[in-house]
Amino acid sequence: GQQLNQSPQSMFIQEGEDVSMNCTSSSIFNTWLWYKQDPGEGPVLLIALYKAGELTSNGRLTAQFGITRKDSFLNISASIPSDVGIYFCAGDGGTNAGKSTFGDGTTLTVKP
Amino acid sequence: DAGITQSPRHKVTETGTPVTLRCHQTENHRYMYWYRQDPGHGLRLIHYSYGVKDTDKGEVSDGYSVSRSKTEDFLLTLESATSSQTSVYFCAITYARGETQYFGPGTRLLVL
Repeated sequence: GQQLNQSPQSMFIQEGEDVSMNCTSSSIFNTWLWYKQDPGEGPVLLIALYKAGELTSNGRLTAQFGITRKDSFLNISASIPSDVGIYFCAGDGGTNAGKSTFGDGTTLTVKP
Repeated sequence: DAGITQSPRHKVTETGTPVTLRCHQTENHRYMYWYRQDPGHGLRLIHYSYGVKDTDKGEVSDGYSVSRSKTEDFLLTLESATSSQTSVYFCAITYARGETQYFGPGTRLLVL
C-alpha cells in the first residue's frame, strides 16, 4: 500500500524557534493534510492543501503542497509551549480516494 | 467541533473475548472510518463505510469486522481479542470522499 515518510521523528526546540517538518511519498496524492494531536485526543486538522504548488498559512503555520504531488512540508514560526504535540501528515485521493494514508508523526517538544 | 463520540473511552479485556467499539455521529456524514494508532506510528485504517450497510476493508482489517445499520453509528468488533489488538482506536467521519476527516476522541483498548 501507499506509505508516507515523515521526518523528523521528533524535535526538541526552544520557545520562539521556527520548526520545519516534511512528508514524502512514492505515490501521488490529490490532497495533503496536516493534523495535530494533543495527548489523549484525536487528531485535529491544521491545514488542507488541494493543489500542487499551493502554499497555505494558518496563523503561525505554513504548509506547501509539492509540485510533484509527492511531498509536503509544514513550518511553524515562533513556537510557543502550546505547540507541543504530535504532528501528522496525511495524503488523500489519488489511487485510494477517500482513504487517508498517514505518516508516523513528528513529536514536537517546546522548552520554555 | 464535529459531533463524534466514541464508547467506551477505555476498556480492559482478556484475550479471546469479543469486544465491540461504537462510533456515533450527529453530523449525518456519509463516510465513517475506523483507525488504530500504535506508539510511534500514525493512524492505520482498519475499515471504512461509505453508507448504511456499505463497508470495505482498510490496510489492517484482519481480526476486525464492522457494521453500519444506521447513518449515525459505525461499530467495530473484535471477534476474539488478541494482545496485538491493544491499541488506541479512532473513529473519523467525512461528508464526502476526499474531504477533511474529523476524528473522535479515541478508545483505549488493553487486551490482557
